Amino acid sequence: KAGVTQTPRYLIKTRGQQVTLSCSPISGHRSVSWYQQTPGQGLQFLFEYFSETQRNKGNFPGRFSGRQFSNSRSEMNVSTLELGDSALYLCASSLVPAGAGETQYFGPGTRLLVL
Amino acid sequence: QKEVEQNSGPLSVPEGAIASLNCTYSDRVSQSFFWYRQYSGKSPELIMSIYSNGDKEDGRFTAQLNKASQYVSLLIRDSQPSDSATYLCAVRGNTPLVFGKGTRLSVIA
Repeated sequence: KAGVTQTPRYLIKTRGQQVTLSCSPISGHRSVSWYQQTPGQGLQFLFEYFSETQRNKGNFPGRFSGRQFSNSRSEMNVSTLELGDSALYLCASSLVPAGAGETQYFGPGTRLLVL
Repeated sequence: QKEVEQNSGPLSVPEGAIASLNCTYSDRVSQSFFWYRQYSGKSPELIMSIYSNGDKEDGRFTAQLNKASQYVSLLIRDSQPSDSATYLCAVRGNTPLVFGKGTRLSVIA
């Protein structure tokens, strides 16, 4: 069974631009979560989607948004990029919304560099 | 603010020794506990999950959970140089997964 896939793997943008990242979960998984990882802050939760609905949102500004499609694929968008948005963006999938007993599996990540 | 605390390390152990990684968490209603391994430049990879007090063993890895003390640990027996990585503790209750910042483990050959 194929794992979580993320595209693109690497991205370079300049300040003020916007970016869209894509995530395809493991086949059969309907829940997708997004995380931002930086050396200083570690892994921080962005949002979680299940059945095209956002279930949870982390403490990030409104410039960060996401959506999920009927085939469970998910996208996240960051508008008006700032230097501090440079990070590894990780997508994780699970069968159902992650709760007691539910395991998330991570994709390879998209490394975003904002110049 | 729900927190997960880990010693950042680096934790250096000789090859063949036992590596002990520790994690404490603040949210008493936490129900699920995970250990992920992350190699430099790679994404986190699930090693162990544990949900009940006590020990859970899987090969060279043993996870230990003490909910009363809000403490979870990971023991790696017969440590190998290939175990050198950052180990992330993650905790989940009624909120999304909260990660610690990880402990960097270095196994010296």
